[in-house]
Amino acid sequence: NAGVTQTPKFQVLKTGQSMTLQCAQDMNHNSMYWYRQDPGMGLRLIYYSASEGTTDKGEVPNGYNVSRLNKREFSLRLESAAPSQTSVYFCASRDSQIGYEQYFGPGTRLTVT
Amino acid sequence: EDKVVQSPLSLVVHEGDTVTLNCSYEVTNFRSLLWYKQEKKAPTFLFMLTSSGIEKKSGRLSSILDKKELFSILNITATQTGDSAVYLCAVVPSGTYKYIFGTGTRLKVLA
Repeated sequence: NAGVTQTPKFQVLKTGQSMTLQCAQDMNHNSMYWYRQDPGMGLRLIYYSASEGTTDKGEVPNGYNVSRLNKREFSLRLESAAPSQTSVYFCASRDSQIGYEQYFGPGTRLTVT
Repeated sequence: EDKVVQSPLSLVVHEGDTVTLNCSYEVTNFRSLLWYKQEKKAPTFLFMLTSSGIEKKSGRLSSILDKKELFSILNITATQTGDSAVYLCAVVPSGTYKYIFGTGTRLKVLA
């Protein structure tokens, strides 16, 4: 039981490049989330998916797109990376029928130069 | 605008000290409040509180919620160096899947 996994762990992009951050969970959770964490800013919600087939914007969605590929996988895409997107990205999941506890992945450290 | 404010921003104590971390919130239709511990990587869940005045305990850690005054505290007694981490507070409004996180309190425990 791996919990929540994220790939890659580290990535360096040039401004304007695109990439997709992958997230998968094996806990059969219905809800999944993408956050970014910047120094002094706490965790900010980018997008979330309440259930398979649905996605909604969070606090800071500009510059990102998401895909809930199936119940297990939730990917985050940067179409044209900007230096302001340099951050640590966390994926999380929870079973909304049980409670509010979220389980987080190990994070992806992204640097955009 | 919904917001969660944690204080202090950082704290340095010695092993054996007791610390109190604060989380205040202004959230429409409060549903629950969660505490997380974040060491080097992902946040890990500590407590969830939904009712006022009920204390949650786990070993040396405890937390209580005051829904009237809109805050929660996290207490850590007999601190150890392994307690060094960032402690995050998050609030979930009713009827939403969104979590609103505070900026965290960075705790450093010196041997």
